[in-house]
Amino acid sequence: AQSVAQPEDQVNVAEGNPLTVKCTYSVSGNPYLFWYVQYPNRGLQFLLKYITGDNLVKGSYGFEAEFNKSQTSFHLKKPSALVSDSALYFCAVRAPVSSYKLIFGSGTRLLVRP
Amino acid sequence: DAGVTQSPTHLIKTRGQHVTLRCSPISGHKSVSWYQQVLGQGPQFIFQYYEKEERGRGNFPDRFSARQFPNYSSELNVNALLLGDSALYLCASSPSVGGEETQYFGPGTRLLVL
Repeated sequence: AQSVAQPEDQVNVAEGNPLTVKCTYSVSGNPYLFWYVQYPNRGLQFLLKYITGDNLVKGSYGFEAEFNKSQTSFHLKKPSALVSDSALYFCAVRAPVSSYKLIFGSGTRLLVRP
Repeated sequence: DAGVTQSPTHLIKTRGQHVTLRCSPISGHKSVSWYQQVLGQGPQFIFQYYEKEERGRGNFPDRFSARQFPNYSSELNVNALLLGDSALYLCASSPSVGGEETQYFGPGTRLLVL
């Protein structure tokens, strides 16, 4: 079965420090991987995706993610966190065999303190 | 350019009633997908439509149905509402249905069933 795990319900980090939000996946074949962010009472906003090629993907607002095939992980990172980064982050995977749907993790709440 | 739009933004219904949610995709996008996000969880895939044809269906009962119109807008219908249908309903659009395509989400319709 295809699945996505976000092992941390919440990540706390001080402003200016680096942040990491973890994601692991289980899918048959080569996955397509996505990160989205959700602010209160808003829909999902696309941050970045991995399709193929370079394992380090750069996205919006200074975020990047590293694809690790051997560890089946796709962790989201940012070198220097901002208070405005505080939000709910979702990792999602799409399998080649069922490419019509995104499978989402349960989400990780990021709290950046001043 | 306008993003994905959804209407209404909020809706309150009682058990047993029927509801219709509407979505307009980004201009030029031919695929629309629907997701249900229950509070505290990640979005769950309901349907994907492309060129007015259903391309995929998630694990939802037959009370849920959808359609796509010639202008690529879409409706999600839910019959015989249950308390458990209370959720944020998200619509997403993409240019086509390839696995690498990014889905762009609307702000959602928040449905409360009493």
